[in-house]
Formats: sequence, structure tokens, C-alpha cells
Amino acid sequence: EAQVTQNPRYLITVTGKKLTVTCSQNMNHEYMSWYRQDPGLGLRQIYYSMNVEVTDKGDVPEGYKVSRKEKRNFPLILESPSPNQTSLYFCASSLGHITGELFFGEGSRLTVL
Amino acid sequence: EDQVTQSPEALRLQEGESSSLNCSYTVSGLRGLFWYRQDPGKGPEFLFTLYSAGEEKEKERLKATLTKKESFLHITAPKPEDSATYLCAVTGGGADGLTFGKGTHLIIQP
Repeated sequence: EAQVTQNPRYLITVTGKKLTVTCSQNMNHEYMSWYRQDPGLGLRQIYYSMNVEVTDKGDVPEGYKVSRKEKRNFPLILESPSPNQTSLYFCASSLGHITGELFFGEGSRLTVL
Repeated sequence: EDQVTQSPEALRLQEGESSSLNCSYTVSGLRGLFWYRQDPGKGPEFLFTLYSAGEEKEKERLKATLTKKESFLHITAPKPEDSATYLCAVTGGGADGLTFGKGTHLIIQP
């Protein structure tokens, strides 16, 4: 089954404690992206990657890091989380960055205390 | 900067009552406009891609249309299972990602 898998799905952590949200896709997609979704603000892109070893900033990259060492994996790293990073995070992938036909994961709800 | 505005924010309809959702956009060199459906607690699910003004796409009770300034998602004789948040997004010549609207929360009452 084609899917994008994120872990963890739910996480409560404290300010400053480094964490990583993993994302893996099994569709051999070149393009992967991270979004955060907040009430009243909608979905906003954090980082994206057009292929292995190629990453770039989206609209709200501050406080986040990513890496793309393998085609299937695109982890999101919060080096020093802060309360304003409390949000619902989605990983997505597609065949190419132009298509816009994104496959989304189920989401990771993060709370930073 | 690409911008997407969706209206209304919320819409409540009776089962069988047809209506339309609006997506107004500002983008430099539209490469595509996309509609997604999002159920509570789930990731968005792709519905349609529209590339140029005049284009239309249909899927079951949903029909998406596109002009140079806006897109409509028409819902014909909706059923309760059509209840969801519908998201519109665009990609343009100046960005390598989608800009999403805030969505329309649609409720279909039996």
C-alpha cells in the first residue's frame, strides 16, 4: 500500500529538548516536504526536498532542520524546541515538485511545554 | 508572494442541497491549482489539479472549475460523508511548493 509514514504521531516534550520526527514514503517519490498546520493559519511549508541531498527552505523554516540522505526518508529535526512550535506537522511526497499532487502522512501532533 | 483566500470559512448544508466553495488566488505565473479534502485527524487527500482557465474536473458529486482569478468547487446533491474541510492550493513560477488557503469547513446534515 502506498503511504507516507510519520513517527511519532503524538509527542509532548519540554522546551529545549531536541527531537526528531521521522517521515518515510514507499512510492519512490523524488519530492518530499514538511508542513505545519495551525488554527487560523492553515498549512504552511517548513522545508522541502526535490531529491536526495537537495533541500530548501519553505515559508517558515526558523527553528527546524531537515536532511535527505535517502530517497525514502525526510526527517524533521527540532534542535531546541520552543512553545511556538506546538503544532500539527505533516510530511508529504510527490513524484515531482510541479505536480502538486501530494500524498500526506497522517500527521504528528507536537506539544512543547 | 502567492496568496489563496477561501470562502466561506464554514458552510452547513442539508443533504441534497447543492452549493459551491470559492478559492480566490494571486500568483505569479500559475502552474497549477489543487483541491484537497481533509477529514478530522487525517492528512489532506488530493482531489483535483487544474492548470488553465476554463478547465474543469469532476469526481462523483464534486466538480472543480478554474478562471484566471478563482476556482470553484461545486458540490451537487451532497451526502453526509462529504462533510470535511476542503483546501485549495496553488503553485506558481516563483516558488517550489504549494501555498494553501485556510480551507472551508463543510458540514452536510442528514
